[in-house]
Amino acid sequence: AQSVTQLGSHVSVSEGALVLLRCNYSSSVPPYLFWYVQYPNQGLQLLLKYTSAATLVKGINGFEAEFKKSETSFHLTKPSAHMSDAAEYFCAVSHYYKLSFGAGTTVTVRA
Amino acid sequence: DTGVSQNPRHKITKRGQNVTFRCDPISEHNRLYWYRQTLGQGPEFLTYFQNEAQLEKSRLLSDRFSAERPKGSFSTLEIQRTEQGDSAMYLCASSSVIAVPYEQYFGPGTRLTVT
Repeated sequence: AQSVTQLGSHVSVSEGALVLLRCNYSSSVPPYLFWYVQYPNQGLQLLLKYTSAATLVKGINGFEAEFKKSETSFHLTKPSAHMSDAAEYFCAVSHYYKLSFGAGTTVTVRA
Repeated sequence: DTGVSQNPRHKITKRGQNVTFRCDPISEHNRLYWYRQTLGQGPEFLTYFQNEAQLEKSRLLSDRFSAERPKGSFSTLEIQRTEQGDSAMYLCASSSVIAVPYEQYFGPGTRLTVT
């Protein structure tokens, strides 16, 4: 069965610093991978997705992720953090029609 | 805004009461999903519809839970005889059968508190 593991439940970065959120996947078939963001008391918004085309995927709000098959990873990065990036981030893998999510990483941004 | 909508956004109920939530998917999407998210966790899959047919139910969906999608449009999720353990955010998502790989769009969720 497909699953994802997010390393680090909390990440704190300074405004302007690199944001790096780690996600490793387990899948018996080529995976479809997603990153979602959730602001307090809101639903999930899709940041980006990997669909086996390009290994470097660009998303919204300046985020990007790189699919590395050899490392079974799909880490999310943003070169320069903004205060508005403070939120919870979820990595997910698609198993046919349903998504399996990681436990999430909460990002706080220090001024 | 033609995104996924959910009502109510918040529901407080007493243990033992029944509650019903509604989800209106994006109009052209024929797939609809329900997930449950507890505090500090990622969403967990509950059930899935393609048009009006409910094609899978998670083991998380006990006999007290029932979901419907009449006419393949909106969906309802009912919880009977609520328990404190049912307190969670209930998320609805929809996707198009044409879209690969099942890119799902989420609604704002219904937060249920059982007292």
